Order: sequence, then structure tokens, then C-alpha cells
Amino acid sequence: AQTVTQSQPEMSVQEAETVTLSCTYDTSESNYYLFWYKQPPSRQMILVIRQEAYKQQNATENRFSVNFQKAAKSFSLKISDSQLGDTAMYFCAFETGNQFYFGTGTSLTVIP
Amino acid sequence: DTEVTQTPKHLVMGMTNKKSLKCEQHMGHRAMYWYKQKAKKPPELMFVYSYEKLSINESVPSRFSPECPNSSLLNLHLHALQPEDSALYLCASSQETGLYGTQYFGPGTRLLVL
Repeated sequence: AQTVTQSQPEMSVQEAETVTLSCTYDTSESNYYLFWYKQPPSRQMILVIRQEAYKQQNATENRFSVNFQKAAKSFSLKISDSQLGDTAMYFCAFETGNQFYFGTGTSLTVIP
Repeated sequence: DTEVTQTPKHLVMGMTNKKSLKCEQHMGHRAMYWYKQKAKKPPELMFVYSYEKLSINESVPSRFSPECPNSSLLNLHLHALQPEDSALYLCASSQETGLYGTQYFGPGTRLLVL
């Protein structure tokens, strides 16, 4: 069975600082995708960043980057220069075959 | 355009009512999904449609009835719901099911069952 674990239910960071959200997963599959989704309060869930398991290079999208450690089954999200608009629930997700698994989420608050 | 639209945004219904939620995408995606999300929880998958055919039903009660009239539209028909069904209902679409990645989510319908 596939599982996705986010061990930090809540985090906070000062504006302009850097924060890292952790995610681990468990699978016996060799080919899969990993995602970070952001869901601001009462707003739409949007994709932040995506990583294909066969790619060794870590994905980056502007201020967002991941540290993908395939052997350790770890997929952390680093947010640099945090902004107030980054305040949201962040869900790590894993896809293989026909199944899409979400972690339990990390509620991130950016403090002015 | 990576937009998935959902109507209505909010819905209040009694336990004897019948209502429908609608979802639309014009990205040419062939897979569409319904999720249920409680506050501060991850989305829970309900149904998956692939090429307009129901491919996954996650043991959802029959008071929820999905329908996919065409490749761009997905409906969720609601009947005789319970108060515990109150939640945010999210629609998503992706190019295909399987290893074709990204699901794009709509803004959701916030449902309250009285």
C-alpha cells in the first residue's frame, strides 16, 4: 500500500525567511510522480511543484524548490523569501497507476 | 488555460432535497475526479471518470450519484444526504489517469446539509 506522511501539522515562518516542509512516502513502485499542492484559506487548491521519480534533478519553480531523495523516499518543499500570500495548507501528493494519494497536510502561516 | 469551474459555489440543502453539483473543464482532459474535503483535512477521492466511463468508485454511498455527460462535464447528483455529508466538494481533471500527472482542481462547492 502507498502512504504519504507529513509529520508537521502546523508551521510558521517570518516573512522573507526560508522554510522547509517535510514529506515522506512509502511505495514499492519504481515509477511515480510527486506533487506539492497549496490550498489558501477558502481558496482553490493549486499545484506548486511536481517531480517525476525517474528524474534525479530536483524541481524548482521560482521561490519553491524540492529536495527529492528517492532512496530515502523523502520529498521536502523549500520556500525561499516567504511571502504573506504563502500562508496556506500544503499537501504533499503521490501518484502511481490509477491512484493519487494525499498527505495529511501542513498548515503554514507566514508572520509579518 | 488550466481552469476547472464548479457551480454552485455554495449550497445549502435539507436531507430530503435533490440537488446537483456541476464541474466543467475545457483543457481537453480525459480524466475527471470528484473529491470530498473536510476542514483542514486532505481531499478524499470519491469517483474517477476516464474517457467518460466510471473507472473508480471509492465505496461511496448511493446517495451520491456521478454522471459524465461528455468529456468536458462532470455532475454529482445528491439525494437524501446526511448532515455528515457537509463538506467542500472538489472537482479535478487531468490529461489522463495513470502516470500522466497533474490534476487541476476547481474552486469547489461548499455544501451544508441541514
